[in-house]
Amino acid sequence: AQSVAQPEDQVNVAEGNPLTVKCTYSVSGNPYLFWYVQYPNRGLQFLLKYITGDNLVKGSYGFEAEFNKSQTSFHLKKPSALVSDSALYFCAVRADQTGANNLFFGTGTRLTVIP
Amino acid sequence: SAVISQKPSRDICQRGTSLTIQCQVDSQVTMMFWYRQQPGQSLTLIATANQGSEATYESGFVIDKFPISRPNLTFSTLTVSNMSPEDSSIYLCSLEDTGTLGETQYFGPGTRLLVL
Repeated sequence: AQSVAQPEDQVNVAEGNPLTVKCTYSVSGNPYLFWYVQYPNRGLQFLLKYITGDNLVKGSYGFEAEFNKSQTSFHLKKPSALVSDSALYFCAVRADQTGANNLFFGTGTRLTVIP
Repeated sequence: SAVISQKPSRDICQRGTSLTIQCQVDSQVTMMFWYRQQPGQSLTLIATANQGSEATYESGFVIDKFPISRPNLTFSTLTVSNMSPEDSSIYLCSLEDTGTLGETQYFGPGTRLLVL
């Protein structure tokens, strides 16, 4: 069975500082891993994903994430946070199996960037 | 990626009534999904809707409560039937894009539902 854990409900970071939003996963087989962002009163926007290849994945708005198979983690990172990055971030996983299209989402982490 | 729109964007409904949410995509897609996001919680998949076949429901969701239509490759509807306050949620449709990014789901803006 697939599952995703986002251990932090809330992350606060000062503007200009690096940020990390943590995600660990459990899946049968090889994982497809995703990060989405939800701004207030908006739908989910796709940020980036890992399927295969380089463990460091670069995505939208300067975000990147590192796949670590041994630690079953896929933490989201950004070198320098902006106030506009303040939003709700969701990690999601699915298995690379035919017919396994379901995305399993974590509970979300609210990022607040302090000016 | 495809542009996804949903109508209505929000609604306030009375207990016992039903609401149909529309999801329109600007390109043809095979797989569409409906999710629910209850207040302060994560997203939960309700069902997968493929054109030309019955929707496949996840555990805890049934067709009588959440009937889904998928009449063509650009459109789907989700009906929330006989609503109760527990149905107050954001309902989102999504599609799977198997293009250059492969197997990525993109989401509509959501329908914010409040049941009184």
